[in-house]
Amino acid sequence: DAGVTQSPTHLIKTRGQHVTLRCSPISGHKSVSWYQQVLGQGPQFIFQYYEKEERGRGNFPDRFSARQFPNYSSELNVNALLLGDSALYLCASSLLPSTDTQYFGPGTRLTVL
Amino acid sequence: AQKITQTQPGMFVQEKEAVTLDCTYDTSDPSYGLFWYKQPSSGEMIFLIYQGSYDQQNATEGRYSLNFQKARKSANLVISASQLGDSAMYFCAMREGLSGAQKLVFGQGTRLTINP
Repeated sequence: DAGVTQSPTHLIKTRGQHVTLRCSPISGHKSVSWYQQVLGQGPQFIFQYYEKEERGRGNFPDRFSARQFPNYSSELNVNALLLGDSALYLCASSLLPSTDTQYFGPGTRLTVL
Repeated sequence: AQKITQTQPGMFVQEKEAVTLDCTYDTSDPSYGLFWYKQPSSGEMIFLIYQGSYDQQNATEGRYSLNFQKARKSANLVISASQLGDSAMYFCAMREGLSGAQKLVFGQGTRLTINP
């Protein structure tokens, strides 16, 4: 079975632009979570979605938004990019939102110049 | 306060030796889960092992085992018979509670290098 897939793999943007990152969960998984991993640190939770509803949000500004589609895939949007948004963005999926193991995708590496 | 603490920034081990990666956690919630993930240089976080707070026995998955000491709030990962392919970053993570969003809180990670 295919794992979690993310696109694009790499992305270079300039300050002030916006970006959309995409994630497809493992088949049958209905929950998707997004994490930001800055170089040298552990991932930080951004959002979790389940059945198209936001289940949780981390301590990130409103420039970050996300949504989940009927096929359970998800998009993460970041507006007005800052240099500090440069990071690896990881998507994880699980069967259920609360108790199941999260399986991660390969990530999207975003560089903001 | 740090919820997950990994005190070893880097570890160097000879191939075929066993290695223990340390993790301590802080929570007041009686229901929680502890995870270990491996992150190779490619970036993907690979799930290794899970321990629930109510599990009576230490979790094992192949060469990986979790030394869970609840009273000490520690959840150390033990890798037996290390291999060159084990070289990677290792992250300990915790999920608190059984309802609501499953927000994983990660430690800073330990970089493991296996020497031939």
